[in-house]
Amino acid sequence: SQTIHQWPATLVQPVGSPLSLECTVEGTSNPNLYWYRQAAGRGLQLLFYSVGIGQISSEVPQNLSASRPQDRQFILSSKKLLLSDSGFYLCAREPSGRDEQFFGPGTRLTVL
Amino acid sequence: AQTVTQSQPEMSVQEAETVTLSCTYDTSESNYYLFWYKQPPSRQMILVIRQEAYKQQNATENRFSVNFQKAAKSFSLKISDSQLGDTAMYFCAFMKRRNQFYFGTGTSLTVIP
Repeated sequence: SQTIHQWPATLVQPVGSPLSLECTVEGTSNPNLYWYRQAAGRGLQLLFYSVGIGQISSEVPQNLSASRPQDRQFILSSKKLLLSDSGFYLCAREPSGRDEQFFGPGTRLTVL
Repeated sequence: AQTVTQSQPEMSVQEAETVTLSCTYDTSESNYYLFWYKQPPSRQMILVIRQEAYKQQNATENRFSVNFQKAAKSFSLKISDSQLGDTAMYFCAFMKRRNQFYFGTGTSLTVIP
């Protein structure tokens, strides 16, 4: 199974509030995990990726951070949201030995 | 730097007709992977088709096929016998190696009944 769960599905938060988006995966162990953001009418922007527990690489310096406390859990966080953080956030997995990515259902974040 | 360009922001096609979506990319690598992803209104990203650069044969998946021109760095997607369920945003993506995925800005395809 390549099931990926993202929670919550939709979120509306005020500017300056904290954020925690969760991604959990099922199936093979030790997958590479990714966080992408998709702004309205735009393509996907890679934010973070993780090759293992506690290992996080950031692609774009910004207001967000990521953590991987467990093999199948990837969390996207912010201490203080900005208006520009609004968008659609997608978690993806790259199964070990597979050169392709599978995506979760996404979280729509609106910052007001 | 790797870039992926989709020059057609929007396209439409009559049901049962054929449509081709364009994608070009820029890289100095010789070995890489190319993908087309579909994002319907539900926003779920779905892998449509993939192509390994070292393979000369164009990939096909049922009604979906690609025209891969490595020298021209072109990777177009052809959808035959278009169906209403094909209405979606289509993203071309390039992967040089693990952890290095690059997406185009997408083409919005509408299938007209």
